[in-house]
Formats: sequence, structure tokens, C-alpha cells
Amino acid sequence: GAGVSQSPSNKVTEKGKDVELRCDPISGHTALYWYRQSLGQGLEFLIYFQGNSAPDKSGLPSDRFSAERTGGSVSTLTIQRTQQEDSAVYLCASSSTPDRNQPQHFGDGTRLSIL
Amino acid sequence: AQSVTQLGSHVSVSEGALVLLRCNYSSSVPPYLFWYVQYPNQGLQLLLKYTTGATLVKGINGFEAEFKKSETSFHLTKPSAHMSDAAEYFCAVSEDTGGFKTIFGAGTRLFVKA
Repeated sequence: GAGVSQSPSNKVTEKGKDVELRCDPISGHTALYWYRQSLGQGLEFLIYFQGNSAPDKSGLPSDRFSAERTGGSVSTLTIQRTQQEDSAVYLCASSSTPDRNQPQHFGDGTRLSIL
Repeated sequence: AQSVTQLGSHVSVSEGALVLLRCNYSSSVPPYLFWYVQYPNQGLQLLLKYTTGATLVKGINGFEAEFKKSETSFHLTKPSAHMSDAAEYFCAVSEDTGGFKTIFGAGTRLFVKA
């Protein structure tokens, strides 16, 4: 499809396990964002990638969270030693350029549940 | 620093009634403003955006919003609600200060009664 694709759509795992969440942005989009949406909450910014520049990781809540973007396209968000408070929907978005007047295009998210 | 406040976490209207979802922002420079809609188990979709120019912005599905600088508001309206409008709506602000971040409001869930 032409939209942002995220996988898996749902992930259930035990506390302490590591998880990887994948995002495939719209082809040609240079900017990629990860957000976390907890139940009944707004969007919490996690990390931002723009082209080959160093990512802005200022939103990552702890050093258990990391992300990479290979070849300027697909991105993976990794959460190590998961905890119950990590349960949330993780949304990925991309935009054609990093200009502030450009809207973000969102995937349907990965719903992460930590038992 | 920029911020967004959405007044009312839940709004309920009858089908056919006016929809009004309130958004106020704070920004030290002219902002770019967005409304997004989120249906259950989906990501956010852009409804409309204000960057420059006309302050009344029309979007998809019959929604519109008016940028009022003096009131620092960007309220979302629709003359006649439809059952399919039931969703969560997010207001967002993005400043052109060299930073990239877009700040989202906490969201307003719209309920439409038959």
C-alpha cells in the first residue's frame, strides 16, 4: 500500500522480554517520527529521524528504549527489559519533508501489552 | 514554548447538531496548526491545517476551523454531526523556529447520539 505500515499490529509479551516494533514509512518521505499513546492520553513524542542526520532522541523515556532507521527508510523501535508501564500503542508517522507546514502521515500503530 | 490545550476530553452531540471542539495554543511565533482525527484502532488522519493565508480553513468530511490570533484559538466545527464523525480529535501546533516538533493536545473524544 501507499501508506505508513507498522508491524506487528498487536504484541503481547511478558515483563522483562525485549520487543521490536517496525515502521515502513511512505516511500520518499525523509522524516520519520515515533510516538507513544497511552490509554486516554495524547501523543507522547519519542524520537525523530530526518534523512542522514543524527536522530533526535530527546523523547525516549529511558535507556531501555532505542530506535534505528536503516537506509533512510524502515525504522525499528526496540524496548529492552519491558515493564508493564510500557503498555501502550506505539505510532509511527512520516512526512515528505521536515518542514513544519507538512502534515504527518500515521500508521495504524502497534498495540503493545506487557503481562 | 509551544503548547496545546483542548477543552473537554469528551463531547457529546446529537446527530444533525453543531459540532464544536475547542483548541487553544500558546506559541511565541506564528504557529502552524493542525487537526487530526483518529478512528478506533487506527492511526491519525489529517483533517485540516492552517499555515498562512486565509484564517478559515476547510477540511475533509465537512469540517472547518478558524485561526483566531487574538484568542490564540483554532476551534474545529461542523454544522451537522453524522454518526460516522464519532472518533477522537487531536489539535496540534508546530512552530517554525528551527525545531521540528509538533505538539499534540490530549484529544477530545466525540460521541454522536442518534
